Amino acid sequence: EVQLVQSGAEVKKPGESLKISCKGSGYSFTSYWIGWVRQMPGKGLEWMGIIYPGDSDTRYSPSFQGQVTISADKSISTAYLQWSSLKASDTAMYYCARLLSFGPFDYWGQGTLVTVSS
Amino acid sequence: SYVLTQPPSVSVAPGKTARITCGGNNIGSKSVHWYQQKPGQAPVLVVYDDSDRPSGIPERFSGSNSGNTATLTISRVEAGDEADYYCQVWDSSSDHWVFGGGTKLTVL
Repeated sequence: EVQLVQSGAEVKKPGESLKISCKGSGYSFTSYWIGWVRQMPGKGLEWMGIIYPGDSDTRYSPSFQGQVTISADKSISTAYLQWSSLKASDTAMYYCARLLSFGPFDYWGQGTLVTVSS
Repeated sequence: SYVLTQPPSVSVAPGKTARITCGGNNIGSKSVHWYQQKPGQAPVLVVYDDSDRPSGIPERFSGSNSGNTATLTISRVEAGDEADYYCQVWDSSSDHWVFGGGTKLTVL
């Protein structure tokens, strides 16, 4: 069974750094792209970027380029999303999802809620 | 950048047919995917490649795509279909993935 399990909810202060994770299981982790999607409170889905764990090839949405870093450790089948300096506007639910051959995101993680507040 | 436009809301009576549209420039030339998201839950893929259904998705969910509009059709709507629905494409010209703004389906 394909599963993506994300790390737990985080509460941070503005200016702090953060790295959240997404662990894949039940499939060949290095053979599928993993994407990250943001959902701000009460809003829609926004594509942030994707990574191919096999070679760490990474693509970013222009809206998130330079704001976050996507990485992966294929030895432990885990993808990451990180911030070096959080802002209150980063408060959102973040989902990872497996990309099926440049088509749909067919499996999703349960989401990680990030709250940034002073 | 490529833009997908969805109506904010659609309402339908139980047992009737709901149609949710997704507009985009020449969207008929792209593969469109649809997701269902219920409150407090992660999105679930319900239709991919315009009209295919993942295993476990009822046949009541179908899709079509032509010209500048893609449509998700939900037949014999049930109370449990009440959710937000999002369309999505891969824009090959920019190598970006794009979501529509989402449509809230209300079952009356």
